[in-house]
Amino acid sequence: EPEVTQTPSHQVTQMGQEVILRCVPISNHLYFYWYRQILGQKVEFLVSFYNNEISEKSEIFDDQFSVERPDGSNFTLKIRSTKLEDSAMYFCASNTGTGGYEQYFGPGTRLTVT
Amino acid sequence: DQQVKQNSPSLSVQEGRISILNCDYTNSMFDYFLWYKKYPAEGPTFLISISSIKDKNEDGRFTVFLNKSAKHLSLHIVPSQPGDSAVYFCAALGETSGSRLTFGEGTQLTVNP
Repeated sequence: EPEVTQTPSHQVTQMGQEVILRCVPISNHLYFYWYRQILGQKVEFLVSFYNNEISEKSEIFDDQFSVERPDGSNFTLKIRSTKLEDSAMYFCASNTGTGGYEQYFGPGTRLTVT
Repeated sequence: DQQVKQNSPSLSVQEGRISILNCDYTNSMFDYFLWYKKYPAEGPTFLISISSIKDKNEDGRFTVFLNKSAKHLSLHIVPSQPGDSAVYFCAALGETSGSRLTFGEGTQLTVNP
């Protein structure tokens, strides 16, 4: 069964460094998402992406964040200058875009900012 | 953000019995609801969904009930199995929320053999 994959599974970085989290959505899906879950908190929406552009973003998704689909299979989340409060699980998700609303999630990347 | 709330952080049931997980929402513009299951170190896995035009949707051992007037939904698992032990999230979306999912806090279900 097709699935969303994410790399790396765990990333440790120092405050102020740039990180890129990578995702490969399900191949025939058209909508892509990033969510995050800070330890002990809810899963929160960050951004949605369709047709090579951001379709929606939350108030969390400020200028430090960017997304890109560089090659037709990967979908990346870049955090330009990480802060301690960016430490969280980051989940990528995708959706067919053809009727169903279900989003299919990857296993997540645990980002630890020290 | 309290738009979707799961008031029970945990639930423990015996194998073979029914598990009932509850979820409340406040945003009347939500019109589609989903349940996800999450094991440790994995991402949320889609389980079952329901549109606001229905009040019940069933898939095998899983049934979701929606009470729009009460802004309440529940997930019934019967019979419960030890492998069902996981965190269960309800999520909602609607016209004003675009395609973003708004999640509840999650309920840890433990099914005891």
